[in-house]
Amino acid sequence: DTAVSQTPKYLVTQMGNDKSIKCEQNLGHDTMYWYKQDSKKFLKIMFSYNNKELIINETVPNRFSPKSPDKAHLNLHINSLELGDSAVYFCASRGGGYGYTFGSGTRLTVV
Amino acid sequence: DQQVKQNSPSLSVQEGRISILNCDYTNSMFDYFLWYKKYPAEGPTFLISISSIKDKNEDGRFTVFLNKSAKHLSLHIVPSQPGDSAVYFCAASATGNEKLTFGTGTRLTIIP
Repeated sequence: DTAVSQTPKYLVTQMGNDKSIKCEQNLGHDTMYWYKQDSKKFLKIMFSYNNKELIINETVPNRFSPKSPDKAHLNLHINSLELGDSAVYFCASRGGGYGYTFGSGTRLTVV
Repeated sequence: DQQVKQNSPSLSVQEGRISILNCDYTNSMFDYFLWYKKYPAEGPTFLISISSIKDKNEDGRFTVFLNKSAKHLSLHIVPSQPGDSAVYFCAASATGNEKLTFGTGTRLTIIP
């Protein structure tokens, strides 16, 4: 009964491949996010969806495409993976207020 | 352009003493501030928050202080316990803006 769950937890893949990370929340929250934590440990927002609608896109390359089939799910698809995409990706959701609930992260390593 | 800064990457404190974690911000539009705690291989978890209309918020052993004129906030943990060892992230938000802007975190180690 994890509140925000992401799969997979670890992902190792070669440059040029396409991969997806899935996220699901069972909190009934309307807003979901993808954050990226890079090698400098900087947690930076990538996308935000509110009730399946994109509301924030922080100048992320087109190779990254979020998809929200319903308000409980926000998946992240990455095309043509590059070495610089290696990072930990966190999904989060938010109900009322400013408190986010984060998933446990997906560590992506591109080799 | 890092709008939220945590200048101490790490901090070690003796068990039972006070831990003070600091955070500075540059964007004067920020009016809500949060602290998150993160253990290894887990996502950040919400700890405590403060609105810009207040200068202090307390929750058990955790107190957050906000100095708007200095654009500075701090998290005090007293007494510190071994389970407090984690990375602490400061985050800020502006009214009307959906996103949180995070600092780079401070790794707190409590020495038994």
